[in-house]
Amino acid sequence: ETGVTQSPTHLIKTRGQQVTLRCSSQSGHNTVSWYQQALGQGPQFIFQYYREEENGRGNFPPRFSGLQFPNYSSELNVNALELDDSALYLCASSLGGSDTGELFFGEGSRLTVL
Amino acid sequence: AQSVTQLDSHVSVSEGTPVLLRCNYSSSYSPSLFWYVQHPNKGLQLLLKYTSAATLVKGINGFEAEFKKSETSFHLTKPSAHMSDAAEYFCVVTPFGGYNKLIFGAGTRLAVHP
Repeated sequence: ETGVTQSPTHLIKTRGQQVTLRCSSQSGHNTVSWYQQALGQGPQFIFQYYREEENGRGNFPPRFSGLQFPNYSSELNVNALELDDSALYLCASSLGGSDTGELFFGEGSRLTVL
Repeated sequence: AQSVTQLDSHVSVSEGTPVLLRCNYSSSYSPSLFWYVQHPNKGLQLLLKYTSAATLVKGINGFEAEFKKSETSFHLTKPSAHMSDAAEYFCVVTPFGGYNKLIFGAGTRLAVHP
């Protein structure tokens, strides 16, 4: 059991709508990262939050945004949904300042955009 | 820029036979490399990591990988496959000073037959 929990597990939206995905990090971890995993592909880095500040961003447009709260939980928000946003969204927690490569992943939120 | 290429999208083996999952990397410096495993409906889990110490790295569940700089490879092996090894395997690299912003390969799906 990794301790990282994500909600909801599945959801369906239509084009143009907005979605919020939530993540609770593993106890003691102050860094949360979000990844998008399209069907048949490897996860792609969206962004990372460390102590409530964005700490790096991948090649995703501004309609992908996030928040980290004082308890280190996090939200991923996607506005103006597009069909290509259909994917598994993965949250991962880790200890900030480390470069170990060891992230603890949740099971993901599967988003379908119709 | 750093990247990893997984040479096989699907590998099928019989239970009890060796497993070889191939990964080549591209990096302008000595990279940190990892293998992650994703079982169905489970979160990604770190199998093993190379961070410029020993070139032969041992991981969990009997897996190991060898870093070969001359071949820019980091292949994953296991002497004897078990049914429970069936999963998706990802080769991963982190950018220098990347602080756990992982770059994933496309993945290799391992099937294990009785």
